[in-house]
Amino acid sequence: QKEVEQNSGPLSVPEGAIASLNCTYSDRGSQSFFWYRQYSGKSPELIMFIYSNGDKEDGRFTAQLNKASQYVSLLIRDSQPSDSATYLCAFPPRGGTSYGKLTFGQGTILTVHP
Amino acid sequence: DAGVTQSPTHLIKTRGQHVTLRCSPISGHKSVSWYQQVLGQGPQFIFQYYEKEERGRGNFPDRFSARQFPNYSSELNVNALLLGDSALYLCASSSRWDSSYEQYFGPGTRLTVT
Repeated sequence: QKEVEQNSGPLSVPEGAIASLNCTYSDRGSQSFFWYRQYSGKSPELIMFIYSNGDKEDGRFTAQLNKASQYVSLLIRDSQPSDSATYLCAFPPRGGTSYGKLTFGQGTILTVHP
Repeated sequence: DAGVTQSPTHLIKTRGQHVTLRCSPISGHKSVSWYQQVLGQGPQFIFQYYEKEERGRGNFPDRFSARQFPNYSSELNVNALLLGDSALYLCASSSRWDSSYEQYFGPGTRLTVT
């Protein structure tokens, strides 16, 4: 079983729609999660992190975490063509090990078409 | 303030050769992590260094090695290159060894092995 899996893409949504990106993880002890956005040919940039069950909102982005079901999702409201990118979920190791190690999913390519 | 810098930007090597990739962290950051990102996949953790000491190592063969210098810059070395080493190599810096969400990624070095 993979440590983290993301919903298969690519995902295509019309401009103005809600884009939903999902990620499941296998380690029940994982405490916090990150969503990175990576434009083609660029490096990943952190857009959201969440560590509590429930929702966390930041502008048009909402991260949702459900530890019982072991999934984390990212909703993008009012999607814009500039949101077209690969979205990566990631989580750090549990305490006592290298916090510099992030485990990433394979990424979901999102395309927002006008 | 300058972000994380990496050199070179692109590199083409042949099988069996050796390569050295360089990373300069954000000023004041003492932690450097290295990741390999194969096309179509999420980044995979290779090493973390903090204060010149190795803090973590991913599941990579001994052909991969790294070090950190007194000024906190870092080198990643790969010996006996294989075709499968072709990837984007990312460096991420952080001010703390125990904080994953503060990691900032550099632009990466695109390595092509022919």
